[in-house]
Amino acid sequence: DARVTQTPRHKVTEMGQEVTMRCQPILGHNTVFWYRQTMMQGLELLAYFRNRAPLDDSGMPKDRFSAEMPDATLATLKIQPSEPRDSAVYFCASGLARGPNYGYTFGSGTRLTVV
Amino acid sequence: AQRVTQPEKLLSVFKGAPVELKCNYSYSGSPELFWYVQYSRQRLQLLLRHISRESIKGFTADLNKGETSFHLKKPFAQEEDSAMYYCALSDTNRDDKIIFGKGTRLHILP
Repeated sequence: DARVTQTPRHKVTEMGQEVTMRCQPILGHNTVFWYRQTMMQGLELLAYFRNRAPLDDSGMPKDRFSAEMPDATLATLKIQPSEPRDSAVYFCASGLARGPNYGYTFGSGTRLTVV
Repeated sequence: AQRVTQPEKLLSVFKGAPVELKCNYSYSGSPELFWYVQYSRQRLQLLLRHISRESIKGFTADLNKGETSFHLKKPFAQEEDSAMYYCALSDTNRDDKIIFGKGTRLHILP
């Protein structure tokens, strides 16, 4: 089975440090999402891309978060500076919008702890 | 505004009993709806899509536009069904943005 690969799986960092999370979408998928999962808020959409172009990042605190797709095989989510309230699991998902296999495949997530 | 509501945070059901996980949506248009499942500490997995009218692992979901609902059902619960279930809506008016409900934790009692 093709998989969405996220690195790192776990990250513990001190408040104020920069954090970079990476996602390798499934080859050929044209849409990539970033979600944040917490107990309180569930799954929150942070940003998403279609054909590498950002479509919506309104869910992301732009003063500290940034999302990019430098090429079709890599999506990144950066937090600078990180804060304890950023502690969560960050999921990347990729898929084909309205193709025959419409639906999205999620990565295993990056569990971020900011102390 | 587009919204997905899952009214139950936790649902406990005895093994062998029927399961119904509720999902209601608010959407101005023709929605495309999904159910995703997340087993303990694993990734989310697509369970089913309303456009496919499929049955996966014994689960089915019917889109009821009159009641704006997409409830997930299974006639006989199994212990391995214990997981977190998320209902999701694709906003086809906004580049297929996927909006998730807050999820329902299904706990199957032995």
